[in-house]
Amino acid sequence: DVKVTQSSRYLVKRTGEKVFLECVQDMDHENMFWYRQDPGLGLRLIYFSYDVKMKEKGDIPEGYSVSREKKERFSLILESASTNQTSMYLCASSHATGVTETQYFGPGTRLLVL
Amino acid sequence: GQNIDQPTEMTATEGAIVQINCTYQTSGFNGLFWYQQHAGEAPTFLSYNVLDGLEEKGRFSSFLSRSKGYSYLLLKELQMKDSASYLCAGMDSNYQLIWGAGTKLIIKP
Repeated sequence: DVKVTQSSRYLVKRTGEKVFLECVQDMDHENMFWYRQDPGLGLRLIYFSYDVKMKEKGDIPEGYSVSREKKERFSLILESASTNQTSMYLCASSHATGVTETQYFGPGTRLLVL
Repeated sequence: GQNIDQPTEMTATEGAIVQINCTYQTSGFNGLFWYQQHAGEAPTFLSYNVLDGLEEKGRFSSFLSRSKGYSYLLLKELQMKDSASYLCAGMDSNYQLIWGAGTKLIIKP
């Protein structure tokens, strides 16, 4: 079974803090994604990566950065957390096999910024 | 622009059948996904359609009409554990997923 793990289920941070969210997958997937999920909105793509050391901006990259030093690990960084970044953060991974790129999700990190 | 529309909430009775509709507008089209998400948990993959027609998988079926930009998820013999949100997502020409806000399905005994 595909397993995607995230470093924390719940996190509370203060405004201005630097926040690291870690994601690890164990299925040798090429693609990895970071989304945020807010009530009443669809999943919104923050950043994604198709390969090690490679990153692409998604729909809402402002205020975030990412790092992919190893194939299995994709980190999301909030450089200076703000209250509007309070959200559920979901990491996903998939094989790069053409159109049927089913994404497998981690359990999510619920971040509260005070 | 790109858009996915689905109802916000639906209610159904245990043992019954429910159909959750989804309309999509994407720049190019590389398939339509349905995911299930229980409260506080990660979305899990249910189905993928890229050709017109009905795909059946046990109690769940998914239908696609590309000419109408329309899909539905059909759940039969509803069980209490089917209470969840159901997310519709279209894949565009860049193989990016465009997500709907999800349909919260409430099952009553």
